[in-house]
Amino acid sequence: SQKIEQNSEALNIQEGKTATLTCNYTNYSPAYLQWYRQDPGRGPVFLLLIRENEKEKRKERLKVTFDTTLKQSLFHITASQPADSATYLCALGEAGNMLTFGGGTRLMVKP
Amino acid sequence: NAGVTQTPKFRVLKTGQSMTLLCAQDMNHEYMYWYRQDPGMGLRLIHYSVGEGTTAKGEVPDGYNVSRLKKQNFLLGLESAAPSQTSVYFCASSYFIRRTGGHQETQYFGPGTRLLVL
Repeated sequence: SQKIEQNSEALNIQEGKTATLTCNYTNYSPAYLQWYRQDPGRGPVFLLLIRENEKEKRKERLKVTFDTTLKQSLFHITASQPADSATYLCALGEAGNMLTFGGGTRLMVKP
Repeated sequence: NAGVTQTPKFRVLKTGQSMTLLCAQDMNHEYMYWYRQDPGMGLRLIHYSVGEGTTAKGEVPDGYNVSRLKKQNFLLGLESAAPSQTSVYFCASSYFIRRTGGHQETQYFGPGTRLLVL
């Protein structure tokens, strides 16, 4: 089964900087990869989906890359704001199978 | 639209007690899921359903049962609660996208149920 690694240590950055979160996986490449945001005491909320044949996806200040050679996805938040502080989860999807979630990385944006 | 709702929000049980967690969605989604989330473990799939009247086991199904009698509802039961089942439980739902290989995509999550088993 897939093993997904996200940095369990919190990422602390200054407001206005670009936050970069990493999602690494083992075994075979998934059909697609998703990123979710989770605030304390709430359920995850979908942000972006990128498919195996896509290198990059953007949505406003968010950018996701997918490198099947490195078995890695990077999630970027440009011009970060304190309101971006949350835990970010990556999830791998494979045809016919359920999503597999990583443990998440907590992002703290300081003003 | 309320999206995905869960009841109760919080519950304390004694070891051996039983309870049912209710999940409801008003988006007409075919797929529904139950996850548990523990510190450092991420979200782990307990059971899921691909349609009314059908259920299947996920990664950590032991100690839980589910039922999907109506498309909009997905129930998670604990017949004899154990302290190891102390967790936050999330329900989610999604459409089934009929592409090649056919796989579900965006999942919509409920607010969670915090369960403490003493």
